[in-house]
Amino acid sequence: ETGVTQTPRHLVMGMTNKKSLKCEQHLGHNAMYWYKQSAKKPLELMFVYNFKEQTENNSVPSRFSPECPNSSHLFLHLHTLQPEDSALYLCASSQGLPGGTDTQYFGPGTRLTVL
Amino acid sequence: AQSVTQLGSHVSVSEGALVLLRCNYSSSVPPYLFWYVQYPNQGLQLLLKYTTGATLVKGINGFEAEFKKSETSFHLTKPSAHMSDAAEYFCAVRGNAGNMLTFGGGTRLMVKP
Repeated sequence: ETGVTQTPRHLVMGMTNKKSLKCEQHLGHNAMYWYKQSAKKPLELMFVYNFKEQTENNSVPSRFSPECPNSSHLFLHLHTLQPEDSALYLCASSQGLPGGTDTQYFGPGTRLTVL
Repeated sequence: AQSVTQLGSHVSVSEGALVLLRCNYSSSVPPYLFWYVQYPNQGLQLLLKYTTGATLVKGINGFEAEFKKSETSFHLTKPSAHMSDAAEYFCAVRGNAGNMLTFGGGTRLMVKP
Protein backbone atom coordinates (compact mmCIF):
# COMPACT_ATOMS: atom_id res chain seq x y z
CA GLU A 1 0.00 0.00 0.00
CA THR A 2 1.26 3.44 -0.82
CA GLY A 3 0.11 6.98 -0.16
CA VAL A 4 -3.30 7.72 1.29
CA THR A 5 -6.14 5.22 0.98
CA GLN A 6 -9.82 5.70 1.68
CA THR A 7 -12.63 3.20 2.12
CA PRO A 8 -15.25 2.80 0.95
CA ARG A 9 -14.89 4.56 -2.38
CA HIS A 10 -18.66 4.88 -2.73
CA LEU A 11 -21.35 4.95 -0.06
CA VAL A 12 -25.11 5.33 -0.28
CA MET A 13 -26.96 5.80 2.97
CA GLY A 14 -30.32 6.83 4.27
CA MET A 15 -30.81 9.76 6.58
CA THR A 16 -31.29 7.52 9.62
CA ASN A 17 -28.25 5.32 9.01
CA LYS A 18 -24.93 5.39 10.83
CA LYS A 19 -21.82 4.78 8.78
CA SER A 20 -18.09 5.51 8.97
CA LEU A 21 -15.49 6.59 6.45
CA LYS A 22 -11.95 5.35 6.89
CA CYS A 23 -8.66 6.90 5.86
CA GLU A 24 -5.21 5.39 6.21
CA GLN A 25 -1.88 6.95 5.32
CA HIS A 26 1.32 5.02 4.68
CA LEU A 27 3.63 8.04 4.48
CA GLY A 28 4.74 8.32 8.10
CA HIS A 29 2.92 11.63 8.43
CA ASN A 30 1.71 13.23 11.66
CA ALA A 31 -1.18 15.38 10.46
CA MET A 32 -4.43 14.25 8.86
CA TYR A 33 -7.35 16.17 7.39
CA TRP A 34 -10.95 15.73 6.27
CA TYR A 35 -12.27 17.87 3.40
CA LYS A 36 -15.70 18.07 1.80
CA GLN A 37 -15.94 18.66 -1.94
CA SER A 38 -19.41 19.56 -3.17
CA ALA A 39 -20.43 20.41 -6.68
CA LYS A 40 -19.92 24.09 -7.51
CA LYS A 41 -18.33 24.90 -4.14
CA PRO A 42 -14.68 25.29 -3.16
CA LEU A 43 -13.00 22.56 -1.20
CA GLU A 44 -14.04 22.90 2.45
CA LEU A 45 -11.71 21.92 5.27
CA MET A 46 -13.64 20.07 7.97
CA PHE A 47 -11.18 18.77 10.56
CA VAL A 48 -7.45 18.73 11.20
CA TYR A 49 -5.54 16.38 13.48
CA ASN A 50 -1.92 16.87 14.48
CA PHE A 51 -0.24 14.05 16.38
CA LYS A 52 -3.71 12.60 17.06
CA GLU A 53 -5.00 15.85 18.60
CA GLN A 54 -7.78 17.76 16.87
CA THR A 55 -6.47 21.21 16.05
CA GLU A 56 -9.19 22.46 13.74
CA ASN A 57 -12.96 22.04 13.56
CA ASN A 58 -14.25 24.29 10.85
CA SER A 59 -17.77 24.75 12.28
CA VAL A 60 -18.82 21.30 11.15
CA PRO A 61 -22.27 20.03 12.25
CA SER A 62 -22.23 17.46 15.02
CA ARG A 63 -23.68 14.80 12.73
CA PHE A 64 -20.07 14.47 11.52
CA SER A 65 -17.80 13.04 14.19
CA PRO A 66 -14.09 12.51 13.52
CA GLU A 67 -11.83 10.03 15.26
CA CYS A 68 -8.06 9.73 15.04
CA PRO A 69 -6.85 6.70 17.03
CA ASN A 70 -3.26 7.04 15.78
CA SER A 71 -1.24 9.05 13.29
CA SER A 72 -1.95 6.60 10.47
CA HIS A 73 -5.72 6.30 10.73
CA LEU A 74 -8.57 8.78 10.55
CA PHE A 75 -12.28 8.07 10.66
CA LEU A 76 -15.34 10.15 9.96
CA HIS A 77 -18.44 8.83 11.69
CA LEU A 78 -21.70 9.82 10.09
CA HIS A 79 -25.20 9.81 11.58
CA THR A 80 -28.56 11.35 10.69
CA LEU A 81 -27.14 13.04 7.62
CA GLN A 82 -29.07 15.27 5.26
CA PRO A 83 -29.26 15.04 1.46
CA GLU A 84 -27.15 18.22 1.22
CA ASP A 85 -24.31 16.27 2.86
CA SER A 86 -23.92 14.29 -0.35
CA ALA A 87 -20.43 15.06 -1.60
CA LEU A 88 -16.94 13.71 -2.17
CA TYR A 89 -15.13 13.42 1.15
CA LEU A 90 -11.39 13.68 0.81
CA CYS A 91 -8.77 12.71 3.33
CA ALA A 92 -5.27 14.15 3.27
CA SER A 93 -2.11 13.82 5.31
CA SER A 94 1.08 15.82 5.79
CA GLN A 95 4.19 15.76 7.92
CA GLY A 96 2.75 18.44 10.17
CA LEU A 97 5.80 20.66 9.81
CA PRO A 98 5.70 24.22 11.12
CA GLY A 99 6.59 27.16 8.92
CA GLY A 100 4.21 26.70 6.03
CA THR A 101 6.22 24.35 3.81
CA ASP A 102 4.10 21.38 4.83
CA THR A 103 2.60 19.59 1.83
CA GLN A 104 -0.68 17.72 1.91
CA TYR A 105 -1.20 14.48 0.04
CA PHE A 106 -4.73 13.40 -0.77
CA GLY A 107 -6.56 10.12 -0.93
CA PRO A 108 -8.97 9.21 -3.75
CA GLY A 109 -12.05 10.21 -1.77
CA THR A 110 -15.34 8.60 -0.76
CA ARG A 111 -18.33 9.55 -2.88
CA LEU A 112 -21.22 9.81 -0.40
CA THR A 113 -24.85 9.90 -1.44
CA VAL A 114 -27.51 10.55 1.20
CA LEU A 115 -31.02 9.54 0.21
CA ALA B 1 -6.01 35.47 6.36
CA GLN B 2 -5.56 34.11 2.86
CA SER B 3 -7.74 33.81 -0.18
CA VAL B 4 -7.34 32.42 -3.68
CA THR B 5 -9.08 33.41 -6.89
CA GLN B 6 -8.93 31.27 -9.99
CA LEU B 7 -10.10 33.21 -13.02
CA GLY B 8 -12.21 31.08 -15.30
CA SER B 9 -14.03 28.05 -13.93
CA HIS B 10 -13.70 26.43 -17.39
CA VAL B 11 -10.86 26.71 -19.87
CA SER B 12 -10.86 25.01 -23.26
CA VAL B 13 -7.76 24.59 -25.43
CA SER B 14 -6.87 22.59 -28.49
CA GLU B 15 -4.42 19.72 -28.27
CA GLY B 16 -0.92 21.11 -28.71
CA ALA B 17 -1.88 24.63 -27.66
CA LEU B 18 -0.55 26.56 -24.70
CA VAL B 19 -2.27 25.98 -21.39
CA LEU B 20 -2.61 28.97 -19.04
CA LEU B 21 -4.57 28.66 -15.81
CA ARG B 22 -4.72 31.77 -13.69
CA CYS B 23 -4.39 32.02 -9.94
CA ASN B 24 -4.26 35.16 -7.81
CA TYR B 25 -3.92 35.11 -4.08
CA SER B 26 -4.05 37.41 -1.13
CA SER B 27 -2.04 36.77 1.97
CA SER B 28 -0.94 38.87 4.90
CA VAL B 29 2.28 36.89 5.18
CA PRO B 30 4.70 35.47 2.60
CA PRO B 31 2.71 32.74 0.93
CA TYR B 32 3.40 29.15 0.13
CA LEU B 33 1.59 28.24 -3.08
CA PHE B 34 0.44 24.96 -4.53
CA TRP B 35 -1.23 23.59 -7.64
CA TYR B 36 -3.16 20.35 -7.47
CA VAL B 37 -4.84 18.37 -10.26
CA GLN B 38 -7.93 16.22 -9.89
CA TYR B 39 -8.82 13.66 -12.52
CA PRO B 40 -12.40 12.35 -12.66
CA ASN B 41 -13.36 10.22 -9.68
CA GLN B 42 -9.98 10.69 -8.05
CA GLY B 43 -8.45 12.70 -5.24
CA LEU B 44 -6.12 15.67 -5.60
CA GLN B 45 -2.59 15.11 -6.84
CA LEU B 46 0.17 17.62 -6.18
CA LEU B 47 1.46 19.17 -9.41
CA LEU B 48 3.97 21.62 -7.99
CA LYS B 49 4.60 23.98 -5.12
CA TYR B 50 6.40 27.22 -4.37
CA THR B 51 7.94 27.62 -0.95
CA THR B 52 11.09 29.73 -1.21
CA GLY B 53 13.89 30.32 -3.70
CA ALA B 54 13.43 30.22 -7.45
CA THR B 55 10.16 31.81 -8.50
CA LEU B 56 9.73 29.57 -11.55
CA VAL B 57 8.68 26.16 -10.33
CA LYS B 58 8.60 23.06 -12.48
CA GLY B 59 6.18 20.26 -11.72
CA ILE B 60 5.06 16.95 -13.06
CA ASN B 61 3.61 16.30 -16.51
CA GLY B 62 5.38 19.29 -18.06
CA PHE B 63 3.58 21.95 -16.01
CA GLU B 64 5.26 24.94 -14.46
CA ALA B 65 4.19 28.01 -12.53
CA GLU B 66 5.79 31.35 -11.76
CA PHE B 67 5.40 33.18 -8.48
CA LYS B 68 5.05 36.92 -9.11
CA LYS B 69 4.89 38.77 -5.85
CA SER B 70 4.21 42.15 -7.44
CA GLU B 71 1.16 40.72 -9.20
CA THR B 72 0.17 38.35 -6.36
CA SER B 73 -0.12 35.65 -8.97
CA PHE B 74 0.90 32.03 -9.42
CA HIS B 75 -0.31 31.11 -12.90
CA LEU B 76 0.06 27.55 -14.17
CA THR B 77 1.31 26.93 -17.70
CA LYS B 78 2.16 24.11 -20.05
CA PRO B 79 3.56 24.76 -23.54
CA SER B 80 1.60 22.06 -25.33
CA ALA B 81 -1.67 20.55 -24.09
CA HIS B 82 -2.29 16.85 -24.26
CA MET B 83 -5.64 15.10 -24.13
CA SER B 84 -4.62 13.50 -20.84
CA ASP B 85 -4.36 16.97 -19.25
CA ALA B 86 -8.14 17.27 -19.16
CA ALA B 87 -8.94 17.55 -15.47
CA GLU B 88 -9.77 20.06 -12.76
CA TYR B 89 -6.96 22.17 -11.39
CA PHE B 90 -6.85 23.78 -7.96
CA CYS B 91 -4.59 26.53 -6.73
CA ALA B 92 -4.01 26.75 -2.97
CA VAL B 93 -2.21 29.10 -0.61
CA ARG B 94 -0.88 28.63 2.86
CA GLY B 95 0.55 31.10 5.34
CA ASN B 96 3.62 30.48 7.43
CA ALA B 97 1.80 29.12 10.46
CA GLY B 98 -0.61 26.31 11.00
CA ASN B 99 -1.58 23.55 8.62
CA MET B 100 -4.45 25.12 6.76
CA LEU B 101 -4.57 25.37 3.00
CA THR B 102 -6.99 27.75 1.34
CA PHE B 103 -8.16 26.52 -2.05
CA GLY B 104 -9.45 28.37 -5.06
CA GLY B 105 -12.68 27.34 -6.70
CA GLY B 106 -10.95 25.24 -9.33
CA THR B 107 -10.61 25.46 -13.11
CA ARG B 108 -11.81 22.66 -15.34
CA LEU B 109 -9.48 22.24 -18.29
CA MET B 110 -10.93 20.75 -21.46
CA VAL B 111 -8.64 19.71 -24.32
CA LYS B 112 -10.11 19.48 -27.82
CA PRO B 113 -8.64 17.15 -30.43
